[in-house]
Amino acid sequence: EDQVTQSPEALRLQEGESSSLNCSYTVSGLRGLFWYRQDPGKGPEFLFTLYSAGEEKEKERLKATLTKKESFLHITAPKPEDSATYLCAGYSGSARQLTFGSGTQLTVLP
Amino acid sequence: DTEVTQTPKHLVMGMTNKKSLKCEQHMGHRAMYWYKQKAKKPPELMFVYSYEKLSINESVPSRFSPECPNSSLLNLHLHALQPEDSALYLCASSQELPGQGEVAGANVLTFGAGSRLTVL
Repeated sequence: EDQVTQSPEALRLQEGESSSLNCSYTVSGLRGLFWYRQDPGKGPEFLFTLYSAGEEKEKERLKATLTKKESFLHITAPKPEDSATYLCAGYSGSARQLTFGSGTQLTVLP
Repeated sequence: DTEVTQTPKHLVMGMTNKKSLKCEQHMGHRAMYWYKQKAKKPPELMFVYSYEKLSINESVPSRFSPECPNSSLLNLHLHALQPEDSALYLCASSQELPGQGEVAGANVLTFGAGSRLTVL
């Protein structure tokens, strides 16, 4: 069975305090590892897709990396507006569906 | 247009009511999805349509009935729901299902803002 596990469940940072979120996965026939951001009461907003180990993608203060077993979302010098739940998901080519992790709720304090 | 539009944003219904949630996209995507999300939990897949045909039904109770009238529209018909069905219902679309195309990004899901359902 496909599994995606995110840690920590919740993270509180001071503005400017860099950190990383972890996503461990076992997904059969992985066809992409996705990161989404979700604000309360809203739908997830796409951030990145990573397709192969060693791949990295960046967007503003966020950088996503991928190994054969896990993905990291690095947040550099975060701002309060980065506060959200960050969801990781793996797309299984064999099951033809997306398996989500439970998310990391990030709070950035001013 | 890069949006998925869901209506209504909020819905309150009794257990004997019949209502529908609607979803629309004009990105030319051929796969559309319904997800259910409870508070502080990840989205759970309910149904997937590919080229207007039901592709995946994740053993969802029959009180939820999906419909895909055309490639741009997806409905979720609700009847005789239970209070535990209260949740945020998310619609999403993607260019293709995975495995149906190797174009990078073809399986990226674009989500709508969701419909918040409360069953009394």
